[in-house]
Amino acid sequence: GQQLNQSPQSMFIQEGEDVSMNCTSSSIFNTWLWYKQEPGEGPVLLIALYKAGELTSNGRLTAQFGITRKDSFLNISASIPSDVGIYFCAGQNEGGSEKLVFGKGTKLTVNP
Amino acid sequence: NAGVTQTPKFQVLKTGQSMTLQCAQDMNHNSMYWYRQDPGMGLRLIYYSASEGTTDKGEVPNGYNVSRLNKREFSLRLESAAPSQTSVYFCASSYRVVQPQHFGDGTRLSIL
Repeated sequence: GQQLNQSPQSMFIQEGEDVSMNCTSSSIFNTWLWYKQEPGEGPVLLIALYKAGELTSNGRLTAQFGITRKDSFLNISASIPSDVGIYFCAGQNEGGSEKLVFGKGTKLTVNP
Repeated sequence: NAGVTQTPKFQVLKTGQSMTLQCAQDMNHNSMYWYRQDPGMGLRLIYYSASEGTTDKGEVPNGYNVSRLNKREFSLRLESAAPSQTSVYFCASSYRVVQPQHFGDGTRLSIL
């Protein structure tokens, strides 16, 4: 089946640093989503991308839909302790089925 | 507005017992999904329901059954629980195809 390669698997950073994570796929996607999951909770949608090349911001978060439609990245600027969590990318394929394909997540730890 | 509500939040079963996980959404969404989340594996789709009256298998359907009771409710049943089904189960919903999914807070299931 389709797979998303999400990297890095984990990050340990200092408060105030910028963060970058990305997802790549062997398949073309027509939608890219980024979710954040905090301990004991379900994933919460951060950013949705629908067009190749699209660059979208949500506060300190910025995500881009790669031109090749096979990758996406998420940047977090000036990290704060509440950014801690697991960040998941998810893609939906060319066929437009309801099935999302999820990456395995990037676990972010922010040291105050 | 509760969004996606899952019950129970925690459950411990013995091998061979049966169990139904409940999910309800109040967002008038057409599509609903069940995922399981295991350490290092990300989210894997078990079953989904594109619309009321339809259900389809996802990536890991073996050992599970689902029922789309009405537009709001989608239940997941384990007929004979096995230790390999120990996991965190998430229900999600979306308005239609190519719309982002919204998740509940999960059911933590342990099978001894």
